[in-house]
Amino acid sequence: AQTVTQSQPEMSVQEAETVTLSCTYDTSENNYYLFWYKQPPSRQMILVIRQEAYKQQNATENRFSVNFQKAAKSFSLKISDSQLGDTAMYFCAFIMVHNFNKFYFGSGTKLNVKP
Amino acid sequence: EPEVTQTPSHQVTQMGQEVILRCVPISNHLYFYWYRQILGQKVEFLVSFYNNEISEKSEIFDDQFSVERPDGSNFTLKIRSTKLEDSAMYFCASSAQGQGSWVGNEQFFGPGTRLTVL
Repeated sequence: AQTVTQSQPEMSVQEAETVTLSCTYDTSENNYYLFWYKQPPSRQMILVIRQEAYKQQNATENRFSVNFQKAAKSFSLKISDSQLGDTAMYFCAFIMVHNFNKFYFGSGTKLNVKP
Repeated sequence: EPEVTQTPSHQVTQMGQEVILRCVPISNHLYFYWYRQILGQKVEFLVSFYNNEISEKSEIFDDQFSVERPDGSNFTLKIRSTKLEDSAMYFCASSAQGQGSWVGNEQFFGPGTRLTVL
């Protein structure tokens, strides 16, 4: 079975500071993708960053980067220079290459960026 | 930019009533999905739908649930006789493809419908 765990229900960070959101997952699969999605209040989930499991290099998208530790099954998200617009619920998710039908999500981390 | 839309944003219903949650996927997408999130818990996969058929469903998706694409634009989730435990946020998603490489398979999510069963 595939599971995704986000152990931080809520976090706060000061504007312009750096914050790291944790995610661990469990799977026996070898080929999969990992994602972080952002859901602003009352808005849809949007993709923040994606990591292919076969790539050792950590993905980076502007101020967002991941620390992907495949052996430890850990996939944390680092947000640098936090902005007020980063305030949102962040979901870690996992999908298997052989079945794109089905995402496995964590329970989310609510991030509050304070001015 | 095209978006997945969902209506209503919040639905309140009495236990035992039928509800229909509506979604308008992105227009050229062929694969459709429903997920739900009970408050404080994980977002859970319910069902995927392609070519007017269910592709995959979870154990949550029992006989109380059904999905339909009644016309060329809407994708609906019906709960026949709602229970208190059906109270959750329901997310619709769509993707252009359902297999192959990730390019074209990205799922785009709607903003969700909050269902409250009293």
